[in-house]
Amino acid sequence: NAGVTQTPKFRILKIGQSMTLQCTQDMNHNYMYWYRQDPGMGLKLIYYSVGAGITDKGEVPNGYNVSRSTTEDFPLRLELAAPSQTSVYFCASSYLADRASYEQYFGPGTRLTVT
Amino acid sequence: KNQVEQSPQSLIILEGKNCTLQCNYTVSPFSNLRWYKQDTGRGPVSLTIMTFSENTKSNGRYTATLDADTKQSSLHITASQLSDSASYICVVIGAGGGNKLTFGTGTQLKVEL
Repeated sequence: NAGVTQTPKFRILKIGQSMTLQCTQDMNHNYMYWYRQDPGMGLKLIYYSVGAGITDKGEVPNGYNVSRSTTEDFPLRLELAAPSQTSVYFCASSYLADRASYEQYFGPGTRLTVT
Repeated sequence: KNQVEQSPQSLIILEGKNCTLQCNYTVSPFSNLRWYKQDTGRGPVSLTIMTFSENTKSNGRYTATLDADTKQSSLHITASQLSDSASYICVVIGAGGGNKLTFGTGTQLKVEL
């Protein structure tokens, strides 16, 4: 298994541009998540999905959109990039088989700079 | 507000020495707590996970403890190696849903020769 893969690894955007961060998992996990990690801060949940066709907002969803058309893919869309969105973005997935244990597997991250 | 606080913020130790990292949380109700290791430029990788009924959990040279009464956890690293240099993140999962994760800001550990 490749696990959770993310593309691109790095990206520089100009203010107002848009882009899609790709995330794919091959573990047949139901749950998928998008986080952002700012320097010196804990990971913050942007959006999550409990299965294909179902998405919900996390703690910091403003400025982002997601879709989940398949179990494997969970792209994150930035429509009008702003400097405040400069961050490292992590995608994660988990298989909710046990309510007491939510093992999440993380991708390698996408480092985004908006100038 | 649910919070997870870690200390120290950063730590430098010599190879072969032991160290202990601390995590205090206010998340309630509580389901489980886990420690992640995050190498520079990589995603977090799970080290241990403990439910409220567990006091200790080991994974090789890593031993995590949990006191659910005082809402404190620690991660003890034994006989440190250069490859232990990383950020160690404490994550607390609230009861009732898989999306209720609260992340600490991490302890940056550097192991030197």
